[in-house]
Amino acid sequence: EDQVTQSPEALRLQEGESSSLNCSYTVSGLRGLFWYRQDPGKGPEFLFTLYSAGEEKEKERLKATLTKKESFLHITAPKPEDSATYLCAVRSNNAGGTSYGKLTFGQGTILTVHP
Amino acid sequence: DSGVTQTPKHLITATGQRVTLRCSPRSGDLSVYWYQQSLDQGLQFLIHYYNGEERAKGNILERFSAQQFPDLHSELNLSSLELGDSALYFCASSALPDRNQPQHFGDGTRLSIL
Repeated sequence: EDQVTQSPEALRLQEGESSSLNCSYTVSGLRGLFWYRQDPGKGPEFLFTLYSAGEEKEKERLKATLTKKESFLHITAPKPEDSATYLCAVRSNNAGGTSYGKLTFGQGTILTVHP
Repeated sequence: DSGVTQTPKHLITATGQRVTLRCSPRSGDLSVYWYQQSLDQGLQFLIHYYNGEERAKGNILERFSAQQFPDLHSELNLSSLELGDSALYFCASSALPDRNQPQHFGDGTRLSIL
C-alpha cells in the first residue's frame, strides 16, 4: 500500500527566511508525485507534478525536487501570503487495478510566515 | 478558481439521514474523483468515475455511493449518516487519468452531523 509522510507537521518562518518541506514516500511504482497548497476553507490548489528522480520544477518562490525516496519543496525568501498547508500526494503504477487514478496524500505541513 | 464547482458549501443534518453532494467538473474533464478530509485521517480517496463509469474505489463505506451522469456532473450519496461522517468532502476532476494529468479540486462541501 502506498504511504506518504510529510515533515515537519508545522513550520513557522520569518518573512525572508528560506526553508524546505519534506515528503517521504513508499509506492510500488511511482507514476507521479504531486504538490498542492491548501488555504483554510478551500480545496487543494495544484502546484507541481514530478515524474522521475532528479526532476525539478519551479514557480515563483517555490521549487520542488524529487529523489527515489522523497521530495522536497524549497521555499525561498517566503512572504506572509505563502502561509498555507502544503500537501504532497503520490499516484502509483497500478493502472487497471482498483486504485487506478487514486492519489494518496500525506498529512500536510502547516506553514506560517510571519512579517 | 479551479473550475470545479461543488454544492452545497455547507450541510448540517442529523444522524440517520441521507444527503446528496453535487460536483460539476472543469469544462472538458471526463474524470471525477471524490475525497474525504477529516482532521485525523487527512485526505482519503473514496471513488473515481471516468465518462460515466466507475474506475476505482478506495475505502468507501457501503452506506456511500456515487454516480456520474451523461453531462459529466457527479453526485455522492451518503446514507444512514453517523457522527463520524462529519468531514469535508472534496471533488476533483482531470481530463485523462491514464496520462497522469493533475487533479483539480473544488472548494468542498462541509458536512456536519448533529
